[in-house]
Amino acid sequence: EAGVAQSPRYKIIEKRQSVAFWCNPISGHATLYWYQQILGQGPKLLIQFQNNGVVDDSQLPKDRFSAERLKGVDSTLKIQPAKLEDSAVYLCASSTGQGYGYTFGSGTRLTVV
Amino acid sequence: KQEVTQIPAALSVPEGENLVLNCSFTDSAIYNLQWFRQDPGKGLTSLLLIQSSQREQTSGRLNASLDKSSGRSTLYIAASQPGDSATYLCAVWNSGNTPLVFGKGTRLSVIA
Repeated sequence: EAGVAQSPRYKIIEKRQSVAFWCNPISGHATLYWYQQILGQGPKLLIQFQNNGVVDDSQLPKDRFSAERLKGVDSTLKIQPAKLEDSAVYLCASSTGQGYGYTFGSGTRLTVV
Repeated sequence: KQEVTQIPAALSVPEGENLVLNCSFTDSAIYNLQWFRQDPGKGLTSLLLIQSSQREQTSGRLNASLDKSSGRSTLYIAASQPGDSATYLCAVWNSGNTPLVFGKGTRLSVIA
């Protein structure tokens, strides 16, 4: 079974620039999550999708972050404009939503300078 | 609001020691609990998943226990090896459609 694919693996941008991350979940997983992990912290949920609908985006900074999941499969997360404090690892995960656990991708490490 | 705490934050042990990592959570009405391993700069690798009806799960040298009533889980690593050096994260799931809530992790160093 293929895992959760994410790209790019690394990204360095200047503050006020924009950036986009891509995620392809495990086939058949209806639920997709984006997490932000700041160095030394546990991952924090940004947004949760069920198929192509948003279930929870209460912690997404909507003035600069946006996310979409087209056709209930791939997802993109965008930051515009980026701030220094957005430097983190952005993790995508998927699950069947039926208590069988999450599978995470390798993450995208973003550095904002 | 569910909160997850992991103790200790960091741990350094000599190779061959058995060790225990602790995880506690404030809301005992969890659906399941999952332990992950994270190597520096990498994503999360699932180690063990314990359903709410289970008391423990084992995989090789790893054993995880769950006590829902007291809001605690432990991850036991037997005969530690330098390759076990990583950050170990505990996360809980309150229902089938809610997100995982993570602790801050325990950073483990096993010294050869």
